[in-house]
Amino acid sequence: NAGVTQTPKFRVLKTGQSMTLLCAQDMNHEYMYWYRQDPGMGLRLIHYSVGEGTTAKGEVPDGYNVSRLKKQNFLLGLESAAPSQTSVYFCASSYGTEREQFFGPGTRLTVL
Amino acid sequence: GDSVTQMEGPVTLSEEAFLTINCTYTATGYPSLFWYVQYPGEGLQLLLKATKADDKGSNKGFEATYRKETTSFHLEKGSVQVSDSAVYFCALSHRNTPLVFGKGTRLSVIA
Repeated sequence: NAGVTQTPKFRVLKTGQSMTLLCAQDMNHEYMYWYRQDPGMGLRLIHYSVGEGTTAKGEVPDGYNVSRLKKQNFLLGLESAAPSQTSVYFCASSYGTEREQFFGPGTRLTVL
Repeated sequence: GDSVTQMEGPVTLSEEAFLTINCTYTATGYPSLFWYVQYPGEGLQLLLKATKADDKGSNKGFEATYRKETTSFHLEKGSVQVSDSAVYFCALSHRNTPLVFGKGTRLSVIA
């Protein structure tokens, strides 16, 4: 039982490049989330999903897209990376919004 | 909208000292309240939760009581250890609404 895994762990991009972050969970959770963590800002929700094939915007969705084609996977895409997207990205999953969220180990992204 | 305010850190304590991290919230109705902990280099993990007024959540020696009258959910521990050094996040959620996090409080415990 791996829980929530994230790929890759580290990535450096140049401004304007694109990339996809992969999140996978093996707990059969309906809900999945993408957050970014910046110093002094806590965690901010980017996008989330309440089930396979669904996505919804969070607090800071601009510049990101997501897809949930399979229940166990939640992809976060950056189409044209900007230095302001330098951050640590966390994926999480849960059975419901008031249930415990399980977090992945994070992806540290640097955009030059 | 809903919001969570927690005391700014960093908080530095000696081992065996008493810990309080304040958390207050603004929300309609009766949200569920959580404390999450983030150890260095890791993702967050649930520390404790409370789902209704006057409930007390507890885990690993930490406690927090849901106080509806003061809209608070302060985290306490009677005797901290070096291994408690981490960032602590207060959070709330309603049914069908994602978690709203506070900005986090960094705790450093020195031997």
